[in-house]
Amino acid sequence: GQNIDQPTEMTATEGAIVQINCTYQTSGFNGLFWYQQHAGEAPTFLSYNVLDGLEEKGRFSSFLSRSKGYSYLLLKELQMKDSASYLCAVTPLGIKAAGNKLTFGGGTRVLVKP
Amino acid sequence: NAGVTQTPKFRVLKTGQSMTLLCAQDMNHEYMYWYRQDPGMGLRLIHYSVGEGTTAKGEVPDGYNVSRLKKQNFLLGLESAAPSQTSVYFCASSYNPQETQYFGPGTRLLVL
Repeated sequence: GQNIDQPTEMTATEGAIVQINCTYQTSGFNGLFWYQQHAGEAPTFLSYNVLDGLEEKGRFSSFLSRSKGYSYLLLKELQMKDSASYLCAVTPLGIKAAGNKLTFGGGTRVLVKP
Repeated sequence: NAGVTQTPKFRVLKTGQSMTLLCAQDMNHEYMYWYRQDPGMGLRLIHYSVGEGTTAKGEVPDGYNVSRLKKQNFLLGLESAAPSQTSVYFCASSYNPQETQYFGPGTRLLVL
């Protein structure tokens, strides 16, 4: 089975940095996605980590440690528009017939204050 | 390129009624998925398909059926709606298991 944990809510100030942690326990692991979801909208892709280490994309960075079952999403220079939920999702190992069955954490709601 | 579209956007049902949610994608993706999203529960997989004519159960399949008669369409059916099926339903598709899933805008369903 899969178990994914992330904090429920975080608050930060505009211009600051926020780090959203995600820990997972899975029977098999292939990679980890981060999605952003604004209220009332669909999730949109932010990052995908397969190998250990940090991947940077502009203001957003994602880190993965496979041995520790741990990832984080780092949001720098926070803007008001970054107020959203951030979803961590794990893809399992498996043959093609298993599909790409993402298992999602509960999501972390980030509130950016002026 | 519309991406992933869902019909309808919003629906109210009475307990026991049936309905079908339609998902369509124009990206020629093999894989398609139906999720439900409830407060504090994240996204949970209902059913998925790895190609035309195939379907498989996800994490919470009870009370739902699906069909994938055409590659671009994935239908989710509720035969006898229950209040516990009040949720937001998202469809998603992907090209292959190693690539991101693209989500539709969602369908809000209220079962009274």
